[in-house]
Amino acid sequence: GAGVSQTPSNKVTEKGKYVELRCDPISGHTALYWYRQSLGQGPEFLIYFQGTGAADDSGLPNDRFFAVRPEGSVSTLKIQRTERGDSAVYLCASSLREGARVNEQFFGPGTRLTVL
Amino acid sequence: EDQVTQSPEALRLQEGESSSLNCSYTVSGLRGLFWYRQDPGKGPEFLFTLYSAGEEKEKERLKATLTKKESFLHITAPKPEDSATYLCAVQAYNTDKLIFGTGTRLQVFP
Repeated sequence: GAGVSQTPSNKVTEKGKYVELRCDPISGHTALYWYRQSLGQGPEFLIYFQGTGAADDSGLPNDRFFAVRPEGSVSTLKIQRTERGDSAVYLCASSLREGARVNEQFFGPGTRLTVL
Repeated sequence: EDQVTQSPEALRLQEGESSSLNCSYTVSGLRGLFWYRQDPGKGPEFLFTLYSAGEEKEKERLKATLTKKESFLHITAPKPEDSATYLCAVQAYNTDKLIFGTGTRLQVFP
């Protein structure tokens, strides 16, 4: 596809359950980012991948959150033992990162997670 | 600590009434400043990247400018389809993450 895609678009789960959110980046983009956006706020950084490895995971709030990108393309954000405070829109972005040059990040439509 | 503050929080304009949105920032070495547009229920849509003070970029009715402390998004003769939330973000040296402000919610009515 032409843009970043995310599935599912909506996810409703119960407190304590495990969820997986998927991101398909723009073809050829080497860098992939996860952000979280709460109502009325700007996106908040969670984790960044360059290729298959997590280059910066400083934004993950705690060890219930984990993300993988095993083949350097699709990424999955995994949340264990979900809490009501995890409810937010989870945004994925990708960029064609080339050395130190600044590259724009292009965002997907997001996954709206609701924890009941 | 790197930080972005946007003002006003909300802005209502009549169609054709030009105005400006402000983005004030503090960052430990600016690598780039970004403007995004976000429509309800959608992800942010990239508009501009600014790299250094004095730089300006334009796209249709939008013009972004940058100083050492702030950026402005000027909207000339807005139309109702310009209604959206406009987000500002900064990227510091030695990091790839974007630090966003809380956005300005713009409404343009006929």
